[in-house]
Amino acid sequence: QVQLVQSGAEVKKPGASVKVSCKTSGYTFTRYTIHWVRQAPGQRLEWMGWINAANGDTKYSQKFQGRVTITRDTSASTLYMELSSLRSEDTAVYYCTRGGGSSYFDYWGQGTLVTVSS
Amino acid sequence: QSALTQPASVSGPPGQSITISCTGTSSDVGGYNYVSWYQQHPGKAPKLMIHDVSNRPSGVSNRFSGSKSGNTASLTISGLQAEDEADYYCSSYTSSITYVFGTGTKVTVL
Repeated sequence: QVQLVQSGAEVKKPGASVKVSCKTSGYTFTRYTIHWVRQAPGQRLEWMGWINAANGDTKYSQKFQGRVTITRDTSASTLYMELSSLRSEDTAVYYCTRGGGSSYFDYWGQGTLVTVSS
Repeated sequence: QSALTQPASVSGPPGQSITISCTGTSSDVGGYNYVSWYQQHPGKAPKLMIHDVSNRPSGVSNRFSGSKSGNTASLTISGLQAEDEADYYCSSYTSSITYVFGTGTKVTVL
């Protein structure tokens, strides 16, 4: 069965970077895109960007452009999302999710809580 | 990219039907048949309920249906049940080759 398993919770200081991993299994890794979505406490879902797992092409939300980097390790079927210059407003649960078809997100990771605090 | 607009809350008694709207622009909802809907229970990851405006994934109850008219998409839940109480989010592909979510709607079963 399709599974996306994310790395554990992180606590970071303002100005630092965080790198969250998403290990996939149960499907052909290179056939799907992976997206990253975050949700601040009590807030809505927010799309951050996506990566084509086949060729590594990426597209980011303008809001995060310059601060976010999404990468992949095809040998490990694992994706990574790195967010830099962290501030308190970046405290959120970060999800990886598979792009099903061309327009939706069909499987989700369990989420990774990133807390930014001095 | 501004968030799609959803009502903050919708409620109804068990057995009733409710509809959640999702309003965007011609650059997202109105421009593509790429609207999807997600159900999220507290502390859980979102779950896909509808994709490509009106398609239900395998395993999702047929009490959930989707539609679209112009720049507004809608999710209807018929025969409301206690387990339907959750937050619901719409999402759309956009002309910038990005995605945008809605503001979210809390559904309460009275």
